[in-house]
Amino acid sequence: EVKLLESGGGLVQPGGSLRLSCAASGFTFADFYMSWIRQSPGKAPEWLSFIRNKANSYTTEYNPSVKGRFTISRDDTQNVLYLQMNTLRAEDTAIYYCAKHRTVYYFDYWGQGVMVTVSS
Amino acid sequence: DVQMTQSPSNLAASPGESVSINCKASKSISKYLAWYQQKPGKANKLLIYSGSTLQSGTPSRFSGSGSGTDFTLTIRNLEPEDFGLYYCQQHNEYPPTFGGGTKLELK
Repeated sequence: EVKLLESGGGLVQPGGSLRLSCAASGFTFADFYMSWIRQSPGKAPEWLSFIRNKANSYTTEYNPSVKGRFTISRDDTQNVLYLQMNTLRAEDTAIYYCAKHRTVYYFDYWGQGVMVTVSS
Repeated sequence: DVQMTQSPSNLAASPGESVSINCKASKSISKYLAWYQQKPGKANKLLIYSGSTLQSGTPSRFSGSGSGTDFTLTIRNLEPEDFGLYYCQQHNEYPPTFGGGTKLELK
């Protein structure tokens, strides 16, 4: 059974940093692209970033809304996906999900999400 | 970016009824549309991809149709577990983008 479990969320002040983790199991993590997606209350999900697999050199892509502030990475030895978030803003407040790609641009499994609140 | 517009935003129905949810893309996305179901406390569930292909485990009462810019998710003979939020997402081009969602409520 595929499982994705996010952690690392919480309350952080504007300008602060947070690192999210996503522990994966039930599939060969190293073979798949992985994404981070967020959803603010009452809004549509927003794709943030994805990281390709080793076969595609672990290259990354970012939504312009977070490019330069967020960094995606992965550890295929531990089956963990990360999102380092810096210079956080109030508008980054959302539930953050990790998701497994089925093919390049859609997602066949999602985690349950972790809440990030940016507030003073 | 491709803008995705869903309608209606809210929909009320009773078990046993059939409903349709629409999704419109701002430009042609060929057949590449996915539908997801979101329920409180549960992970989002992929229902359909490539417009009409059911993900493994999706009940046959769900169906997807459309191509180009206009797509429809139809749920026939609604079951109690079908009530929740539904989102469309284009997977034709980067970046992937989502519709605003449709809340399917019990009438």
